[in-house]
Parts: sequence; C-alpha cells; structure tokens
Amino acid sequence: DAGITQSPRHKVTETGTPVTLRCHQTENHRYMYWYRQDPGHGLRLIHYSYGVKDTDKGEVSDGYSVSRSKTEDFLLTLESATSSQTSVYFCAIKLPGEGTEAFFGQGTRLTVV
Amino acid sequence: AQKVTQAQTEISVVEKEDVTLDCVYETRDTTYYLFWYKQPPSGELVFLIRRNSFDEQNEISGRYSWNFQKSTSSFNFTITASQVVDSAVYFCALSELRGTYKYIFGTGTRLKVLA
Repeated sequence: DAGITQSPRHKVTETGTPVTLRCHQTENHRYMYWYRQDPGHGLRLIHYSYGVKDTDKGEVSDGYSVSRSKTEDFLLTLESATSSQTSVYFCAIKLPGEGTEAFFGQGTRLTVV
Repeated sequence: AQKVTQAQTEISVVEKEDVTLDCVYETRDTTYYLFWYKQPPSGELVFLIRRNSFDEQNEISGRYSWNFQKSTSSFNFTITASQVVDSAVYFCALSELRGTYKYIFGTGTRLKVLA
C-alpha cells in the first residue's frame, strides 16, 4: 500500500468559494498527480508535481492551482469554485522504478452548488 | 501529442461470455508503457497490468489476457468467461518515460456483466 490519503472525501461548496483538496502520502514518492473524473471524459490530468515546489500544468488546469511545499503533501486549490468543477478528484503517485504504474487515492467527490 | 482512445463506451454481456475491451494509443515516443485499470462500482482505481513498448508478448492472468500489437498501436484486454464481479469501468493508460512521467488515460469502457 502506497499510503495515500485524500481529504476531504466528500465536499459540497457554493459557487465562488475557494476550495482546497489535500493529498497526503507517507512514503516520500517524488511524483504526484491530480486528476478529475467526469462521465464521458475518463480521467484527465489537472496538475502534477515532480518534486517539492516543482509543479506543472496538465490538460485541464484552468481554474486550479497546486502547491507542494513538502514531499508528502500535494494541495489542489479551486480559487473560485464553479459548477463545472463538480467532479470526482483523484490524487495519484508514481511508484518507484521505471515505467511503474500510478497508485491512486480513494478520491474526493466535490459538488459545487 | 499522446492520446489513448477507448472507442467502446459501454458493453453488456451475459455471464460466461468472453469480452474484449479495445485500446488504441498514439505516441511519438519509442519507449513507453501501457496500463489497464479497473474501477468497480465502489469507485477505487485498481491497477491490473503494465506493458512496456519493447515487450509484445501476450499476457494471461487467470481469466484475463492482454494483446499488445505495436504495429496497430493497440493494447486490448480480454476477459474470458465473464462474471458479474467483472462489472466495472476499465481504463487504458499510456505513460511517457521522459521527464515528468505523466499518465494519459482513455475515456474508459463500462462493462456490464448480466447474470
């Protein structure tokens, strides 16, 4: 078990409010990712990190920011939540080694009303 | 640009039937990895298999088998004698090996196995 914890697991928020999702890992994995899952779109990469303070945008980064001030935590922030950001958000880490798979957290279901 | 296509949105089969889930990918890299994941109704993402671009051997694990054909850029997944517990969404993914190791996912195929 790669030890990933996402918090919160469920959240309902109002349009226009800021929201931060947390991904915590316990095994010092270098690479971390945030994905969103929506019907018909599969899993789409929002942002990723390849080290402390090293982050970059994925394919659907508009409206999201991330921070990684320490190895174990990767935060995803919706600066001003919109209804289009209602989704299930998954954090993942890359397991050590070449070509290894991503290991996913349990997901956070976010509803923006 | 890298892309993964799972053209089958949803498939329904009757228990004990065989079913093949298709995955077609695009990449300019010569070295890459391909993956399959399962997402059961409970929602977690479960890793099933990975295959590197230099290994075109088919793989079999119990009722599951995978056919990787580089010539057609396909990595298809077959379930033999399907069971109700196989009902899930299945994702195919591609990973680059340079730099940031991003994983690109297809849109998934929902498999319904009817008793």
